[in-house]
Amino acid sequence: GDSVTQMEGPVTLSEEAFLTINCTYTATGYPSLFWYVQYPGEGLQLLLKATKADDKGSNKGFEATYRKETTSFHLEKGSVQVSDSAVYFCALHTGTASKLTFGTGTRLQVTL
Amino acid sequence: DSGVTQTPKHLITATGQRVTLRCSPRSGDLSVYWYQQSLDQGLQFLIQYYNGEERAKGNILERFSAQQFPDLHSELNLSSLELGDSALYFCASSDSPSAFEATGELFFGEGSRLTVL
Repeated sequence: GDSVTQMEGPVTLSEEAFLTINCTYTATGYPSLFWYVQYPGEGLQLLLKATKADDKGSNKGFEATYRKETTSFHLEKGSVQVSDSAVYFCALHTGTASKLTFGTGTRLQVTL
Repeated sequence: DSGVTQTPKHLITATGQRVTLRCSPRSGDLSVYWYQQSLDQGLQFLIQYYNGEERAKGNILERFSAQQFPDLHSELNLSSLELGDSALYFCASSDSPSAFEATGELFFGEGSRLTVL
């Protein structure tokens, strides 16, 4: 079945540091890939997405590139801020399913 | 604010009891999803409804049931509760039956935190 594997957290960074959160997936067919973010006390919200190989999703300074050859969708940001502290979820969807399959989430804490 | 409303926000109950969680989707969204978020299992898909009909089922226990009403709100019923049912239950909505024919986005509520003692 479909699955998503994310790097374990928590990830603790200083403000303005470079961020990478690794995500790899297993899926039948050609999935669409997503990053969702969950700020403290809130529900998940879509951060970015990519629907086919080599697509790059980007939003709020975050980027992720759909790499079919390595089945990966790593999240990156060049300079994190304290306000980026949250839990980040990688997710996938394949055409035959009507649900998102999520990774376990990676908690990011950014300090001054 | 996602536009998805969940009640109650917090619920504490005892083993063996039954609870009902309620979700109002975004205005105009026909599709409702329920997810369970626990520390050891991450975010697990439970069930999806579209315009009142069950569309997809995930890892939902037989003790759990859900429905979507004509006004499109949905309820998740959890019965014979066990300690392991303690979790955050999320509802999400989307504007298409598969959620990925339009914007490819689910809109999540803030969740209902269930504690079973």
